[in-house]
Amino acid sequence: NAGVTQTPKFQVLKTGQSMTLQCAQDMNHNSMYWYRQDPGMGLRLIYYSASEGTTDKGEVPNGYNVSRLNKREFSLRLESAAPSQTSVYFCASTGSIWSASLPTPLHFGNGTRLTVT
Amino acid sequence: AQKVTQAQTEISVVEKEDVTLDCVYETRDTTYYLFWYKQPPSGELVFLIRRNSFDEQNEISGRYSWNFQKSTSSFNFTITASQVVDSAVYFCALSEAEGGSEKLVFGKGTKLTVNP
Repeated sequence: NAGVTQTPKFQVLKTGQSMTLQCAQDMNHNSMYWYRQDPGMGLRLIYYSASEGTTDKGEVPNGYNVSRLNKREFSLRLESAAPSQTSVYFCASTGSIWSASLPTPLHFGNGTRLTVT
Repeated sequence: AQKVTQAQTEISVVEKEDVTLDCVYETRDTTYYLFWYKQPPSGELVFLIRRNSFDEQNEISGRYSWNFQKSTSSFNFTITASQVVDSAVYFCALSEAEGGSEKLVFGKGTKLTVNP
């Protein structure tokens, strides 16, 4: 059971370079998310996809683009990396099945540590 | 707008002490959902508990317990007889969405260190 898989685990970029963070889940979940975690800031939502074919902005979308390639995959792209995008990026997914009036919890990947110099 | 405040940035205790992590939330909705996640030093995020706004019953799971009080907009987390393995950053989170997980808003986290 792989769950949510993120690649790469670590990446160093120079200012202005571009890259795509990959995320795939094998739990047949409808919704997928990208969060960033900065020291002392908790996790902040960048973009999310409630279902295949849809994407929406979260709290901090500037400088990022996303693609929901299919139900399994949700990628995050930095077109022109900036030092302010140095962070740990987490992908997450969740299903839409409820249990006893409780929402399904987010399942997180192990994160991608990105440094922009 | 929804907001989660974890006023305790860092807490340090000695093993076997009880410790309570505070979480205060703000929301305009009558239907909302609250979560706690744990992030150990290895970095992964581990789901601990979820609760909807209509269920104010406290919950106990082993050494962990949660106290939900709508009157004070709080969802506090207590670890009884803490252990070194409890050392982690703990996040409280809130969602207003119908699905319950969309746009989950996290607090800034409380770093708990349990010393032997």
